[in-house]
Amino acid sequence: NAGVTQTPKFQVLKTGQSMTLQCAQDMNHEYMSWYRQDPGMGLRLIHYSVGAGITDQGEVPNGYNVSRSTTEDFPLRLLSAAPSQTSVYFCASSYSLTGNSPLHFGNGTRLTVT
Amino acid sequence: GIQVEQSPPDLILQEGANSTLRCNFSDSVNNLQWFHQNPWGQLINLFYIPSGTKQNGRLSATTVATERYSLLYISSSQTTDSGVYFCAVTGATNKLIFGTGTLLAVQP
Repeated sequence: NAGVTQTPKFQVLKTGQSMTLQCAQDMNHEYMSWYRQDPGMGLRLIHYSVGAGITDQGEVPNGYNVSRSTTEDFPLRLLSAAPSQTSVYFCASSYSLTGNSPLHFGNGTRLTVT
Repeated sequence: GIQVEQSPPDLILQEGANSTLRCNFSDSVNNLQWFHQNPWGQLINLFYIPSGTKQNGRLSATTVATERYSLLYISSSQTTDSGVYFCAVTGATNKLIFGTGTLLAVQP
């Protein structure tokens, strides 16, 4: 029973490098989302998806891209990393945002951009 | 967009004490959830509670949707209750927006 799996757990990038944070869920959830967590800022929504082929922007989408080619996977791409993107990133999923459908989180990816 | 405020920002309790955490939101919601982030960073869903009252062991939650607030009650606190408690809400959009959390420290 894997739930929501994020990889890698830790990553260090140099400014300007690109990378993809992976997120996969095995619960057949339609809704998936990415958050970043910074000290004193809570969790801020980057992008979300309500189903395969559908994505939309959250509160802080700049500098990030997403795609949803399958129900299971929702990768987050940093196109050109900047020090301001140093953060802890969480992927989350649920059946939907309506009805009794709790949000399940992955264990996070700690990203440092130097 | 919808605004979410939590209070208090931090709280220190002695083991065995009770506490109440509050979440205020600026607009009507159709989804409200409470989460606990433990000291290792893991986020665990506690309640889905857009209205009404629910209980799970020592924890209970009440949402008064018409007055735009939710309360999380922790009774007989234990050191394992330490961490950050977040509420998150969705209004008319599909964006689940988080408050900035309440940092709870339970001392033995």
